Amino acid sequence: KAGVTQTPRYLIKTRGQQVTLSCSPISGHRSVSWYQQTPGQGLQFLFEYFSETQRNKGNFPGRFSGRQFSNSRSEMNVSTLELGDSALYLCASSLQETGFSETQYFGPGTRLLVL
Amino acid sequence: KNEVEQSPQNLTAQEGEFITINCSYSVGISALHWLQQHPGGGIVSLFMLSSGKKKHGRLIATINIQEKHSSLHITASHPRDSAVYICAAERYSGAGSYQLTFGKGTKLSVIP
Repeated sequence: KAGVTQTPRYLIKTRGQQVTLSCSPISGHRSVSWYQQTPGQGLQFLFEYFSETQRNKGNFPGRFSGRQFSNSRSEMNVSTLELGDSALYLCASSLQETGFSETQYFGPGTRLLVL
Repeated sequence: KNEVEQSPQNLTAQEGEFITINCSYSVGISALHWLQQHPGGGIVSLFMLSSGKKKHGRLIATINIQEKHSSLHITASHPRDSAVYICAAERYSGAGSYQLTFGKGTKLSVIP
């Protein structure tokens, strides 16, 4: 079974631009979660989608949004980029129908640099 | 004060040593997760606990709900255990939603 894939792997943007990141979950997984990892703040939960519905949401501003398609692939979008948005963005997929799964499968991440 | 605190921040051990990493949280939780992040960045889910103890191979995770504390133990440590270990508190935030709050991680280095 193929693992979780994320595209692109690396991205450089400038302040004020917007960016869209993509995550393809493991086949059969309907839950996709997104996380931001920075050296200062560590890992932070962004949001989680299950069957095309945002089910859980972390404490991030509205500039961060996401969606999930009928094939469970998910995208996250960051508008009006700020320098502080430079981070590793990780997605994870699971079978879990409520809460967070014991076994989330993480993708390799997209490293975003905002200049 | 962070909702989830880990200690120590850094840990160096000799191969074969017994290792303990601690995680304390300040809010009521529905579950506590342990994750492992390898030097290359890949993250692996290790455990999810809501009570008691779980064991996978040389890894043991325990949780004390009353004391709001969890520990991750590694027996007979090996250099391949070198990684960052992260705990995360899962709590119900209402209306069918859950939140995950992470600790800052413990960087473990096991020396041959």
